[in-house]
Amino acid sequence: AQSVTQLGSHVSVSEGALVLLRCNYSSSVPPYLFWYVQYPNQGLQLLLKYTTGATLVKGINGFEAEFKKSETSFHLTKPSAHMSDAAEYFCAVSDSGYSTLTFGKGTMLLVSP
Amino acid sequence: GAVVSQHPSRVICKSGTSVKIECRSLDFQATTMFWYRQFPKQSLMLMATSNEGSKATYEQGVEKDKFLINHASLTLSTLTVTSAHPEDSSFYICSARDLKRGEYNEQFFGPGTRLTVL
Repeated sequence: AQSVTQLGSHVSVSEGALVLLRCNYSSSVPPYLFWYVQYPNQGLQLLLKYTTGATLVKGINGFEAEFKKSETSFHLTKPSAHMSDAAEYFCAVSDSGYSTLTFGKGTMLLVSP
Repeated sequence: GAVVSQHPSRVICKSGTSVKIECRSLDFQATTMFWYRQFPKQSLMLMATSNEGSKATYEQGVEKDKFLINHASLTLSTLTVTSAHPEDSSFYICSARDLKRGEYNEQFFGPGTRLTVL
């Protein structure tokens, strides 16, 4: 069975500050890892994904994440937060290219002026 | 590309009635569609996986007779909440996967449907 742990249900940053959202996973096989963003009352939008290859993955809106197998982590970062980044972020894992996704509980990112 | 729509976006119904939610892939053929339920400030919980032309696979604890899923075509899946009760009030989100386009298990999500049962 797979699982995802997102540390911190809420993360607050100031505009322009570094964004760091933490995600740790558990998987018995090499994982496929995803970060999604959800704005209020909307569906999920894929930010980035790791499948194989380069462990540093760049996504949309300036976000990136690094797959660290030794730490079983896939933390999401952005060098400089914008007000428009305020949303809920979900980390997800699957154990193959065709299986279902397991989501973390989400982290709400709050950006203050 | 890879747009998924849901209809309606919001629905309010009386207890005991049935509600149908549609999920459509607008620009691709979805061999597999997923239905999720999301409670306020919580994560997405997978309810069922539906493959075109076959019966849906429900997750443990999800009542098949209450949440009817039909995936009659490669672009449409429907979720019917039968005899809805207030505890069924939730945000329902569908996603679709196209094995031709979405390799590595990428799912494309709809905007969600807010169901309120009075």
